[in-house]
Amino acid sequence: NAGVTQTPKFQVLKTGQSMTLQCAQDMNHNSMYWYRQDPGMGLRLIYYSASEGTTDKGEVPNGYNVSRLNKREFSLRLESAAPSQTSVYFCASSELGRNEYEQYFGPGTRLTVT
Amino acid sequence: QKEVEQNSGPLSVPEGAIASLNCTYSDRGSQSFFWYRQYSGKSPELIMFIYSNGDKEDGRFTAQLNKASQYVSLLIRDSQPSDSATYLCAVSYGQNFVFGPGTRLSVLP
Repeated sequence: NAGVTQTPKFQVLKTGQSMTLQCAQDMNHNSMYWYRQDPGMGLRLIYYSASEGTTDKGEVPNGYNVSRLNKREFSLRLESAAPSQTSVYFCASSELGRNEYEQYFGPGTRLTVT
Repeated sequence: QKEVEQNSGPLSVPEGAIASLNCTYSDRGSQSFFWYRQYSGKSPELIMFIYSNGDKEDGRFTAQLNKASQYVSLLIRDSQPSDSATYLCAVSYGQNFVFGPGTRLSVLP
């Protein structure tokens, strides 16, 4: 049981390049999330998907697109990377536990845009 | 705008002491409250959640919630150097989560 996996672990892009961050979970969770974490700012929600086939914007969606490919996979795409998108990106999934939605995180992708 | 606030720290406590971490939130519609621990360079891991007013204990950890004051705290008893990490407070609204900036805790041997 791998939980939430993310690829790649590290990436360096030049300004204007594009890339897709991949996320998969094997816990059969309905909800999946993409966050970015910058020093001193905690985790900020980029997009989330409450169920297969649906996606919604979070706090900081500009410059990103997402695809909920199936129940397991949720990808994040940067069409034209900018230095302001240098960050650590975390994918998470959640499901209703005994009483509440419990959220579990992947190991993160460290992205640098030069 | 839903906001979650925490003191950034660092909060330093001696080994064996009680560490007290605090969090306030702005939206009274908040439903549940979570504490995550994050070691440097690692992903957040869930420690506890609480959704009813009062205290909830799990081993050395106690979460306290006061919805009237919009305040949630985490107490760590018998603090160990291995507890040194950043502690993130998160608030849920259904399936959506808002995180605070985190408090860095340092437990001194």
